[in-house]
Amino acid sequence: IAGITQAPTSQILAAGRRMTLRCTQDMRHNAMYWYRQDLGLGLRLIHYSNTAGTTGKGEVPDGYSVSRANTDDFPLTLASAVPSQTSVYFCASSPRGGGTEAFFGQGTRLTVV
Amino acid sequence: GQNIDQPTEMTATEGAIVQINCTYQTSGFNGLFWYQQHAGEAPTFLSYNVLDGLEEKGRFSSFLSRSKGYSYLLLKELQMKDSASYLCAVMDSNYQLIWGAGTKLIIKP
Repeated sequence: IAGITQAPTSQILAAGRRMTLRCTQDMRHNAMYWYRQDLGLGLRLIHYSNTAGTTGKGEVPDGYSVSRANTDDFPLTLASAVPSQTSVYFCASSPRGGGTEAFFGQGTRLTVV
Repeated sequence: GQNIDQPTEMTATEGAIVQINCTYQTSGFNGLFWYQQHAGEAPTFLSYNVLDGLEEKGRFSSFLSRSKGYSYLLLKELQMKDSASYLCAVMDSNYQLIWGAGTKLIIKP
């Protein structure tokens, strides 16, 4: 693993199903983020974690949950997927929460049907 | 509310210079970032400005005026590989990034 890795890269999911998007980084960064990117809109923050053991809600947290059991992993769970959650999801990390560049994973393209 | 504005799309010619503007209204300011995103790929970091003025990095430069809530990204000697979306993002008082929708730059030969 080099940098930040997301899995899966794409997924088609039936509405109502539960899904976990995985994110792992090997840079020992403290801060991690989940964004969704929709056509014509900027990246929108779903949830974030400034350090292992803590999480916070972003701009669009409803329908999503996260956990940060250790420094490296930051999974995003959709408890019961809905079509409006069709999007490209990016995980990102940065050495600390503020004023430092964020490194992005390659993205997960999720389609909820 | 918080708002980041940048043009939706711009077209320029290979070898030329292009300036992509970004204006912002946010609750607090802890720096402004520019990222490049090629179609179907992840955003990658280009520049960070926290003080007024121009930061130059090779063919790319970024300018900030905090009093005007304004920044621009200047790309010189355009190459075909510069065709991408350019994302402006401001870090607010809570150290959260607020993102613009991005400017799609099309380079023509």
